[in-house]
Amino acid sequence: SYVLTQPPSVSVAPGKTANITCGGNKIGSKSVHWHQQKPGQAPVLVIYYDNDRPSGIPERISGSNSGDTATLTISRVEAGDEADYYCQVWDSGSDHWVFGGGTKLTVL
Amino acid sequence: EVQLVQSGAEVKKPGESLKISCKGSGYSFNNFWIGWVRQMPGKGPEWMGIMYPGDSNSRYSPSFQGQVTISADKSISTAYLQWDSLKASDTAMYYCGRQKGYSYPIDYWGQGTPVTVSS
Repeated sequence: SYVLTQPPSVSVAPGKTANITCGGNKIGSKSVHWHQQKPGQAPVLVIYYDNDRPSGIPERISGSNSGDTATLTISRVEAGDEADYYCQVWDSGSDHWVFGGGTKLTVL
Repeated sequence: EVQLVQSGAEVKKPGESLKISCKGSGYSFNNFWIGWVRQMPGKGPEWMGIMYPGDSNSRYSPSFQGQVTISADKSISTAYLQWDSLKASDTAMYYCGRQKGYSYPIDYWGQGTPVTVSS
């Protein structure tokens, strides 16, 4: 089955840019979605179809996807961005959804 | 406002049965898929399966096929996830989520139902 690989953790200072990667075989040919999960809360969709934002998600959160890597970029990081981030794709080969293992974003 | 409200925390013994619920409001419940996701303590989400309440079409992840049953009662806009015989390894948080289509991501999540299975 399809495997998504994320770094366990990323640390960034406030005001800087955080890049969270999601690796997968030819992931650029798939649509990637990203969910943010703060401690003790349900996940929230923050990026869908590689780089679309649901209403209410700030423009400083963006996504890209090419080759074997998709990237979630958070610009001008704030303390409130500290959370776990999960990438997700639809694997048409196996006909089901796949999640990455998650990346914990720490704001220094 | 779209809302998915899940039933409360459950504590069960191994071998017992369980049915948890997810009630949708603020949208046309019959016209959106409902997906279920497991999240074990300290781990990432795992997709379990999905159902279309309009015609009860359902599909399961191979990891969960035969282990759980997904159903819905469209007359009360409620989806269900059930187990016939729980195991300790079923201890986890379970989330429902709304999906515009089978291959669309969850755009609204329920608040989660914690399930603890312990003797």
